[in-house]
Amino acid sequence: TQLLEQSPQFLSIQEGENLTVYCNSSSVFSSLQWYRQEPGEGPVLLVTVVTGGEVKKLKRLTFQFGDARKDSSLHITAAQPGDTGLYLCAAIYNFNKFYFGSGTKLNVKP
Amino acid sequence: NAGVTQTPKFRILKIGQSMTLQCTQDMNHNYMYWYRQDPGMGLKLIYYSVGAGITDKGEVPNGYNVSRSTTEDFPLRLELAAPSQTSVYFCASRGRDRAISLSTDTQYFGPGTRLTVL
Repeated sequence: TQLLEQSPQFLSIQEGENLTVYCNSSSVFSSLQWYRQEPGEGPVLLVTVVTGGEVKKLKRLTFQFGDARKDSSLHITAAQPGDTGLYLCAAIYNFNKFYFGSGTKLNVKP
Repeated sequence: NAGVTQTPKFRILKIGQSMTLQCTQDMNHNYMYWYRQDPGMGLKLIYYSVGAGITDKGEVPNGYNVSRSTTEDFPLRLELAAPSQTSVYFCASRGRDRAISLSTDTQYFGPGTRLTVL
């Protein structure tokens, strides 16, 4: 069983559209991270959310941590082809370990 | 700073062969991690280390071994390669974000090693 469930698994949209990716768990985490991974490369950290209900913005990306610290969402406004990639959420467990979701593969068509 | 480097980039092994995947970081981070990523999937933690001389198992440690004799190096050893170990392997080190000060640490990933076992 997956500790973190991401949805949707795949998303193919046109440039300019908005989208939301979800990361859900039945466990409570002290913090959660979002990464983006491009083909042939390692993941790169986008953001860390720590406080329940927290909202962070990174240009056109908005990240939210659920009030109960069990879920998170990533919203992209006016998607661009440069946003194409695999988006991964990761939860920090027992301070030392990271558990990753299975990822959302986003394709933004020009 | 080179960050996290991994060698080799690609490798093909025959069933039963052994090999060591190398990982080196130059950021003086105490924490280091090994993950595997199967096609279209997320990353699964194999082993991690919180400092030189200290290692512990992650989610999927079977078939692998690690050592951490220095802060910089964290090699991953496959003793008897099996087709199920065909994957992309990522090493990461963990420390404070280099660009800004964060209250939580950042993982910095290497470029990965693509391993095929036939």
